[in-house]
Amino acid sequence: DGGITQSPKYLFRKEGQNVTLSCEQNLNHDAMYWYRQDPGQGLRLIYYSQIVNDFQKGDIAEGYSVSREKKESFPLTVTSAQKNPTAFYLCASSTPGADQPQHFGDGTRLSIL
Amino acid sequence: EDQVTQSPEALRLQEGESSSLNCSYTVSGLRGLFWYRQDPGKGPEFLFTLYSAGEEKEKERLKATLTKKESFLHITAPKPEDSATYLCAAYTGTASKLTFGTGTRLQVTL
Repeated sequence: DGGITQSPKYLFRKEGQNVTLSCEQNLNHDAMYWYRQDPGQGLRLIYYSQIVNDFQKGDIAEGYSVSREKKESFPLTVTSAQKNPTAFYLCASSTPGADQPQHFGDGTRLSIL
Repeated sequence: EDQVTQSPEALRLQEGESSSLNCSYTVSGLRGLFWYRQDPGKGPEFLFTLYSAGEEKEKERLKATLTKKESFLHITAPKPEDSATYLCAAYTGTASKLTFGTGTRLQVTL
């Protein structure tokens, strides 16, 4: 079955530590996205990539970094510069175009130790 | 600035009690309006895309409609398994960016 796999499901970060969230898709989608979801707020875009080896900042990119070395993979690193990392992180992918919905993984919940 | 507002924030219905969820948007150049369902601890699941005012789409007990300023998700004779948070998002074509609302949390009781 095609889909998006995010791992781990739960992640804990210590002070000053960088952590990496994994996102893999087998939908053959060109575009991939990272969102952050906080209680009472809409999903906010962190980074997106429309093609391999290229990515752009979203609305809240500070304290985060990404890479896109393979079409299937779009890992997100939450750096120590992100002072409020506790959130639910969602990865999505789509075929570029207005009529193509974004499909989401089941998220990673990140907490601070 | 693009904005999407959903109401009500939470809705409690009895099984079989039909109702509507609202999604109003203020965006420049809407190219698509998406509805998603999200269960606790899960990612959003795609339901519908609407492209132009007057368009309607249906899936089981759900029907989505679109006007020039808002979209409605009508739930007819809901069942407990329809309980979830329903999200809407507007797509303006700017670098494939979706602007999400904060969602309506629906609870359907027996």
